[in-house]
Amino acid sequence: QKEVEQDPGPLSVPEGAIVSLNCTYSNSAFQYFMWYRQYSRKGPELLMYTYSSGNKEDGRFTAQVDKSSKYISLFIRDSQPSDSATYLCAMRGSSNTGKLIFGQGTTLQVKP
Amino acid sequence: EAGVTQSPTHLIKTRGQQATLRCSPISGHTSVYWYQQALGLGLQFLLWYDEGEERNRGNFPPRFSGRQFPNYSSELNVNALELEDSALYLCASSFGQTYNEQFFGPGTRLTVL
Repeated sequence: QKEVEQDPGPLSVPEGAIVSLNCTYSNSAFQYFMWYRQYSRKGPELLMYTYSSGNKEDGRFTAQVDKSSKYISLFIRDSQPSDSATYLCAMRGSSNTGKLIFGQGTTLQVKP
Repeated sequence: EAGVTQSPTHLIKTRGQQATLRCSPISGHTSVYWYQQALGLGLQFLLWYDEGEERNRGNFPPRFSGRQFPNYSSELNVNALELEDSALYLCASSFGQTYNEQFFGPGTRLTVL
């Protein structure tokens, strides 16, 4: 079993839709959670990170962490064709190892 | 502010050869991380360098090695290349050891024939 599971999709939505992207994880020691966006043939771009449980909002993006369920989500409001990319979740524990554990990524397509 | 840069963009090698990949971190960042993104496997942690020292390495064989220079740039060396080493190699940097915010470069696409 992988430490972090993420549905690869693809997920196709119409422009303006609310998008929900999710990851589940098995390691209860994970405390820091990140979301990256990766366009084709580019490196991942950090969107936001959260610590422990709760919500964090940044513009059209909201990250949500539910540690009791070992489940994290990224919501995108008013989705745009430019949001079409692969979204990767990543996480780490409290110890300083430098290592982020990534999900496989979900491919999102927003259709005009 | 310039982001993380990597060179070359593409690299084609044959099995058994050595590959050298280079990374320049964001100005002011002292930590450099290397990841392998192979098809279907997601990003796998390779190495972490900070202040010129190797701080941690992932579950990869010793033929994957690297170093960090005094200007904080880094080099990844892969010896005795195997076909399964074909992947996108990503470098990331962070300010100090606060690695919640790792900023990635565009990657080097290594193809082993």
